[in-house]
Amino acid sequence: GNSVTQMEGPVTLSEEAFLTINCTYTATGYPSLFWYVQYPGEGLQLLLKATKADDKGSNKGFEATYRKETTSFHLEKGSVQVSDSAVYFCALRTLGGNEKLTFGTGTRLTIIP
Amino acid sequence: GAGVSQSPSNKVTEKGKDVELRCDPISGHTALYWYRQSLGQGLEFLIYFQGNSAPDKSGLPSDRFSAERTGGSVSTLTIQRTQQEDSAVYLCASSTDRTYNEQFFGPGTRLTVL
Repeated sequence: GNSVTQMEGPVTLSEEAFLTINCTYTATGYPSLFWYVQYPGEGLQLLLKATKADDKGSNKGFEATYRKETTSFHLEKGSVQVSDSAVYFCALRTLGGNEKLTFGTGTRLTIIP
Repeated sequence: GAGVSQSPSNKVTEKGKDVELRCDPISGHTALYWYRQSLGQGLEFLIYFQGNSAPDKSGLPSDRFSAERTGGSVSTLTIQRTQQEDSAVYLCASSTDRTYNEQFFGPGTRLTVL
């Protein structure tokens, strides 16, 4: 079956630091990969996605590259801001069937000024 | 336009009572999902509706859980004889029926079973 393993949190960084949140996956077939973000008091929002190997998803300064050879989709940002404090979820979805999202456990990120 | 809405935002109930959680998807979205976000289990899929097809109930944790979707729009998740382990945030998401289309999430209903 499908599964997502995500870097355990919580993660605390200073403003302008470099961020990496690791994510690896196991899937049957060829999944699409996603990062969702949940800001305090808000619902889940799609941050970025990649639908095939070597694709790079990017949004709001965040990037993640779909690496089929290492089954990974690590989230990176070069210079984090206080407003990036949130919980980040890695997820995958495979084609066909119910196309449900399978999520990692989430990583809580706190940025201190 | 309006996003996915859910009600109530918070629900506190006593063990053994039944609860109903409501989801209003984005207009025109034919696919609707329920997920549960709990401390011990993370985010897990519960049930999926697509148009007029029979729902995929493969994620429902027990027969105390059921859901329906009326008129291809509003959905209600019902939990009978609630237990403390049902305490969680219940999330609804909707999407169009195109492959790989983004799922848009509602704000969730926080259920607390005392």
